[in-house]
Amino acid sequence: DAGVIQSPRHEVTEMGQEVTLRCKPISGHDYLFWYRQTMMRGLELLIYFNNNVPIDDSGMPEDRFSAKMPNASFSTLKIQPSEPRDSAVYFCASSLPGLATYNEQFFGPGTRLTVL
Amino acid sequence: AQKVTQAQTEISVVEKEDVTLDCVYETRDTTYYLFWYKQPPSGELVFLIRRNSFDEQNEISGRYSWNFQKSTSSFNFTITASQVVDSAVYFCALSEAENNFNKFYFGSGTKLNVKP
Repeated sequence: DAGVIQSPRHEVTEMGQEVTLRCKPISGHDYLFWYRQTMMRGLELLIYFNNNVPIDDSGMPEDRFSAKMPNASFSTLKIQPSEPRDSAVYFCASSLPGLATYNEQFFGPGTRLTVL
Repeated sequence: AQKVTQAQTEISVVEKEDVTLDCVYETRDTTYYLFWYKQPPSGELVFLIRRNSFDEQNEISGRYSWNFQKSTSSFNFTITASQVVDSAVYFCALSEAENNFNKFYFGSGTKLNVKP
């Protein structure tokens, strides 16, 4: 079975440009999580969805970040405009229906974003 | 304050040595879950184990063992007879329900280098 799929794997862009990261969760999973990993702050939860509905976006750093999940098999994380401090690895993860705090999360390979 | 603390930033051992990765957590909930994930050089986080707050029984899986002690809020991970393939970053994580919101916290990770 395919795992969580993220694209692109690497993205290099210039400050001020719009960046869109994509994620396809594992089929049958109804929770989807977006994380950001940096050396300074470690792994931070940005937002998570349940059944395509955003549940907790308190980790989204600022209004430049937005996330959507138009259907059960696709989600996007958009940064507009991007800044050099947004450079990080962005992970998408999904988990099975049920108790979100109990179920383990399955992570994608990540998107390494570099903003010049 | 950090919800999950992994004080060991990096550990280096020689193959076949035993190594323990420490994890200390902080929560006021009585129901919570603790996890360990492995992040190999490829980047994708892989689930290793889950423990719920009501089950303090230690667990062994092959060369891996976990020691959960509520009295010290610790959930330590031991690798016996380490191998080069164990080289990775290991994350301890806590999930809990806080004010009816599910919260997910990761430690900063411990990088394990196993040398041949």
